Amino acid sequence: GESVGLHLPTLSVQEGDNSIINCAYSNSASDYFIWYKQESGKGPQFIIDIRSNMDKRQGQRVTVLLNKTVKHLSLQIAATQPGDSAVYFCAENNFNKFYFGSGTKLNVKP
Amino acid sequence: GAVVSQHPSRVICKSGTSVKIECRSLDFQATTMFWYRQFPKQSLMLMATSNEGSKATYEQGVEKDKFLINHASLTLSTLTVTSAHPEDSSFYICSARVGTGNEKLFFGSGTQLSVL
Repeated sequence: GESVGLHLPTLSVQEGDNSIINCAYSNSASDYFIWYKQESGKGPQFIIDIRSNMDKRQGQRVTVLLNKTVKHLSLQIAATQPGDSAVYFCAENNFNKFYFGSGTKLNVKP
Repeated sequence: GAVVSQHPSRVICKSGTSVKIECRSLDFQATTMFWYRQFPKQSLMLMATSNEGSKATYEQGVEKDKFLINHASLTLSTLTVTSAHPEDSSFYICSARVGTGNEKLFFGSGTQLSVL
């Protein structure tokens, strides 16, 4: 089922530092995961995805790690920039539907 | 990437009226579209799955008579909030999937509904 958060935790980082955003997903049968970025008043924007047969996937400045044993995803952003400030959600694919985690607000300080 | 257009971006209506939100896939055909609802500072909650040519499937707790979904073509799905009340005020977001199965979702820009 879906995971809904009542409060958004905030991660504050200095510009240029690396950021790590974590997500716990709910269903061990989920086989595909996506990280989305959402800016205020906008729809989610795709960042990176990973399938359950992988542990790690790298994109441009971003890396997703998947630990199926503990049902945990992380998103690593290298050299964080002010434009990275947003809310980040992980989404899990379960029975061809996507359910979203509770989200983390990333605040990048200049 | 694929483009999903959602309209209107913002709507204000009186209590008791109905509001229709459109979601279009502009450069691809979407057999399946999804409707989400989001309250401030909260996550996206899946409301329903819209299937072209068939009835939508609703998540548990979502009233199908309240939130009417029509997916008349491979590029258009509509969500109608019927007899809207202030508690229906929310950010509604549609998404569409390219292909079937395990493929990424692309999202519209969302509709902020305010019911007075």
